[in-house]
Amino acid sequence: DQQVKQNSPSLSVQEGRISILNCDYTNSMFDYFLWYKKYPAEGPTFLISISSIKDKNEDGRFTVFLNKSAKHLSLHIVPSQPGDSAVYFCAASAGMKTSYDKVIFGPGTSLSVIP
Amino acid sequence: ETGVTQSPTHLIKTRGQQVTLRCSSQSGHNTVSWYQQALGQGPQFIFQYYREEENGRGNFPPRFSGLQFPNYSSELNVNALELDDSALYLCASSLAASGAYNEQFFGPGTRLTVL
Repeated sequence: DQQVKQNSPSLSVQEGRISILNCDYTNSMFDYFLWYKKYPAEGPTFLISISSIKDKNEDGRFTVFLNKSAKHLSLHIVPSQPGDSAVYFCAASAGMKTSYDKVIFGPGTSLSVIP
Repeated sequence: ETGVTQSPTHLIKTRGQQVTLRCSSQSGHNTVSWYQQALGQGPQFIFQYYREEENGRGNFPPRFSGLQFPNYSSELNVNALELDDSALYLCASSLAASGAYNEQFFGPGTRLTVL
């Protein structure tokens, strides 16, 4: 029973266009969400996060939107660049300062940005 | 400042054998967490060590065990290997046992194949 779902295993986008990666969760106790990016042969790196008290958080080309009523969040990358090609993991937890065992990762979406 | 390193990169074992994976934390970090990432899934928390003591454990059987050394390097040991143990094993280091987990730094992982 997956508590964090990323229903698109892969996504291809043209360079310069918008990439939208989606994530759904089932546990209403989740109140803090993170996105990680992972390149082949490297570990995941933190990208951006959002607390449930917000519905949007922006960092440069990356914006995360949270729709609590729909239990849905999305990561927007604008404009997409070839270097953004990676696997993106959505993660959720019940509490921003919780211990790591409470962090639940989704299965990931592989993004390919085509030059 | 060196990042998180893991060894070996790849490993092949047979069912029933034992394996030891190693992790060297980022300089100054006193906490290490281990994750298992099965194919097509996100990282799943195994356990965490803080100042050489286990400080939280996920839903993994006792045949998964660990050690953290005074220099904060760490080992993950798995006994009686099963086919389902085939996965990428990630370690992540951080400065504190709890806190904003966006401060975790992941190593590149060890790919374990059990035949």
